[in-house]
Amino acid sequence: DVKVTQSSRYLVKRTGEKVFLECVQDMDHENMFWYRQDPGLGLRLIYFSYDVKMKEKGDIPEGYSVSREKKERFSLILESASTNQTSMYLCASCRGNYNEQFFGPGTRLTVL
Amino acid sequence: AQSVTQLDSHVSVSEGTPVLLRCNYSSSYSPSLFWYVQHPNKGLQLLLKYTSAATLVKGINGFEAEFKKSETSFHLTKPSAHMSDAAEYFCVVRTLASGTYKYIFGTGTRLKVLA
Repeated sequence: DVKVTQSSRYLVKRTGEKVFLECVQDMDHENMFWYRQDPGLGLRLIYFSYDVKMKEKGDIPEGYSVSREKKERFSLILESASTNQTSMYLCASCRGNYNEQFFGPGTRLTVL
Repeated sequence: AQSVTQLDSHVSVSEGTPVLLRCNYSSSYSPSLFWYVQHPNKGLQLLLKYTSAATLVKGINGFEAEFKKSETSFHLTKPSAHMSDAAEYFCVVRTLASGTYKYIFGTGTRLKVLA
């Protein structure tokens, strides 16, 4: 069974902290994505990666960075967390032909 | 510009009655279209996809959708709602922009099923 896992389901951090969200997929997919989901706004793309060490900015990259050192792992980094980054974060992956995406369960991040 | 519009943010149906969730898209490129479902506090699960084969697409859990190019629509239907269908549904278009594939998500439709 294909799987995308995220390191935490729930996370509470303080303003100014550095936050790492980890995503691992076991499907040997080339492409991986980070989205944030907010009520009424759907999913918005933060960053994506189409290969190891490659990354592209999505629609809302400000305040975030990413790292992809291994094919199966894609990390999202909040350099200095702020309250407006409180959200649900979803990781996804897909094959090189960009067909359907497979999603992780999400991390609900609260920044106090 | 590419876009996806889910015409209803909330839909309520009675158990056993038909479900219709509406989605319109705009794409200058021949799109692939998807419907995903998200149950509370869970990730998104693929219901069905259209990738330029048959225009009527059957998915899991009795859902289906019809691609209508002339109407730029991809509405999701189910003949008979079940309580377990209560969830949020997202219509997604995959399109080509500036040489890169891009997924564009609708803002979601929350389906409520009444006993």
